[in-house]
Amino acid sequence: QKEVEQNSGPLSVPEGAIASLNCTYSDRGSQSFFWYRQYSGKSPELIMFIYSNGDKEDGRFTAQLNKASQYVSLLIRDSQPSDSATYLCAVRGSSASKIIFGSGTRLSIRP
Amino acid sequence: NAGVMQNPRHLVRRRGQEARLRCSPMKGHSHVYWYRQLPEEGLKFMVYLQKENIIDESGMPKERFSAEFPKEGPSILRIQQVVRGDSAAYFCASSPGSRGNQPQHFGDGTRLSIL
Repeated sequence: QKEVEQNSGPLSVPEGAIASLNCTYSDRGSQSFFWYRQYSGKSPELIMFIYSNGDKEDGRFTAQLNKASQYVSLLIRDSQPSDSATYLCAVRGSSASKIIFGSGTRLSIRP
Repeated sequence: NAGVMQNPRHLVRRRGQEARLRCSPMKGHSHVYWYRQLPEEGLKFMVYLQKENIIDESGMPKERFSAEFPKEGPSILRIQQVVRGDSAAYFCASSPGSRGNQPQHFGDGTRLSIL
């Protein structure tokens, strides 16, 4: 089992709709969770991080964390073509050391 | 620009040569992480360092690869006797600490090409 798993996609969503990205992790003691966006040929850019159960909202983005089920999700409301990118889920494990990344989900927003 | 600085942006080496990749963390950050990314793949953790200490090198290949973060100067990822399979993007990230609310911020990466 991979430490952090994501559906590779591509996930195609019409412009203006809600894009939902999911991530599961194997280390039950994981402490904090991050979502990064990566455009092709560019470096990862932090979108949000969350470390408490529940929802965290920032503009059009909402991160949701459910530690009991070991999943974290990212919702993007009012999707824009500029949201088309690969979204990377990252988890800091119980050892509070390294951060492990999932393989990413490619999101495509169609006009 | 107070962000994570990596150089060079692009590095070309012939098989058997050495590659040195440099990373200067953001101001105030003392934790550095190195990742490797192959085309169309995710980020693979390599090594986590604090000043003068390697904290976790579980992702580093056992041979040819080494990393350091000296008291003064940037962190260095060194690849000896490079092979074609070392061609990848190498990203450095930094954080002020390892607590849950301290995310990593990435540099622009070094694209390593092996001829």
